[in-house]
Amino acid sequence: GAGVSQSPSNKVTEKGKDVELRCDPISGHTALYWYRQSLGQGLEFLIYFQGNSAPDKSGLPSDRFSAERTGGSVSTLTIQRTQQEDSAVYLCASSLSGGTNTGELFFGEGSRLTVL
Amino acid sequence: QKEVEQNSGPLSVPEGAIASLNCTYSDRVSQSFFWYRQYSGKSPELIMSIYSNGDKEDGRFTAQLNKASQYVSLLIRDSQPSDSATYLCAVNILATGGFKTIFGAGTRLFVKA
Repeated sequence: GAGVSQSPSNKVTEKGKDVELRCDPISGHTALYWYRQSLGQGLEFLIYFQGNSAPDKSGLPSDRFSAERTGGSVSTLTIQRTQQEDSAVYLCASSLSGGTNTGELFFGEGSRLTVL
Repeated sequence: QKEVEQNSGPLSVPEGAIASLNCTYSDRVSQSFFWYRQYSGKSPELIMSIYSNGDKEDGRFTAQLNKASQYVSLLIRDSQPSDSATYLCAVNILATGGFKTIFGAGTRLFVKA
């Protein structure tokens, strides 16, 4: 596609359930980032991928969070046993030259997660 | 110290004035700096990137970088109500495996008609 595509755009779940958020980056972009944005807050770095590898997972809030990327393309962010504090907009971005000291990010529209 | 710091604002300026947004960063190795604009309920979009000391102009926007002072700024000339948004400063910082992009908390700008 022409831009970064995220799904679902909106997810309401019950506390304790698992959720999967999907990101399809711009074709040819080697780097892929996940951020979290709570209401009225800035972007919190979660994880980035260079190809299929995740060199830096330091931003994942807990072991309930995991992410993978396959084929250097689509990425999935999984949150297990969701908690109310996980409610936020999860933003995915891709970049043509991540991992090096350049790289402008192109964002998807985000997945809004609400945990009841 | 946060890796990227911005004044959260809000910054309010009258239409036609110059809006000045500031950002400081902690990683001296950083070489890439960005300003993103985020309208309420929307995703961030890139408006400026700067990699060298000095000024970079693009239309009504000017980005300024001072690596010695670890300081980046964005000037918006002839501010318009449509410029009202949150402006996010972003910096590539050294991380495991290369560099990662870290954002400041953002400065909310209101341009009054």
